[in-house]
Amino acid sequence: EAQVTQNPRYLITVTGKKLTVTCSQNMNHEYMSWYRQDPGLGLRQIYYSMNVEVTDKGDVPEGYKVSRKEKRNFPLILESPSPNQTSLYFCASSPNFARISTDTQYFGPGTRLTVL
Amino acid sequence: SQKIEQNSEALNIQEGKTATLTCNYTNYSPAYLQWYRQDPGRGPVFLLLIRENEKEKRKERLKVTFDTTLKQSLFHITASQPADSATYLCALDLSYGQNFVFGPGTRLSVLP
Repeated sequence: EAQVTQNPRYLITVTGKKLTVTCSQNMNHEYMSWYRQDPGLGLRQIYYSMNVEVTDKGDVPEGYKVSRKEKRNFPLILESPSPNQTSLYFCASSPNFARISTDTQYFGPGTRLTVL
Repeated sequence: SQKIEQNSEALNIQEGKTATLTCNYTNYSPAYLQWYRQDPGRGPVFLLLIRENEKEKRKERLKVTFDTTLKQSLFHITASQPADSATYLCALDLSYGQNFVFGPGTRLSVLP
């Protein structure tokens, strides 16, 4: 089954404790992206990647890191999480960034992160 | 300042009626506009895309219009059903697939 998976689905952590949220897709997509969703603010793009070893900042990249060493994986790293990073995070993928406007973004199920 | 808004946080309509959701934006020049559906606890699911040079797009019971002069998109669900109850998000494609801005969403409830 074609899908985007995220792990963990739920995470409670404390301020300053490094964490990684994994994202994997099995559709051989070139484009992958991370979003956070907060009440009243909608989905905001954190980082995106057009292909392996190519990443770029979205609208809210501060406090986050990403890497794209393999096509299928796009982990989101919080080196020193803070309470304002408490949010619902979504990973998304698409076949080709040049085609994304005519093709769909496939979203993962989400990771609910709470930073105490 | 740049802003993207959806008409209301919540919309209740009777089954069988047409639901109309609005997406307005200011100080953006999107090439494309997309609509997504999101169910509680799930990721968004793509519904429709409309290009800046298209006025209208249809897919089954769904219709989207895009007015770049008014900076507005309307999303219609005809013959609505309780299964259409969900949150609907509009999204602006600002750079041909690289950068997206999403609206806050409208929670639609279709009452039987």
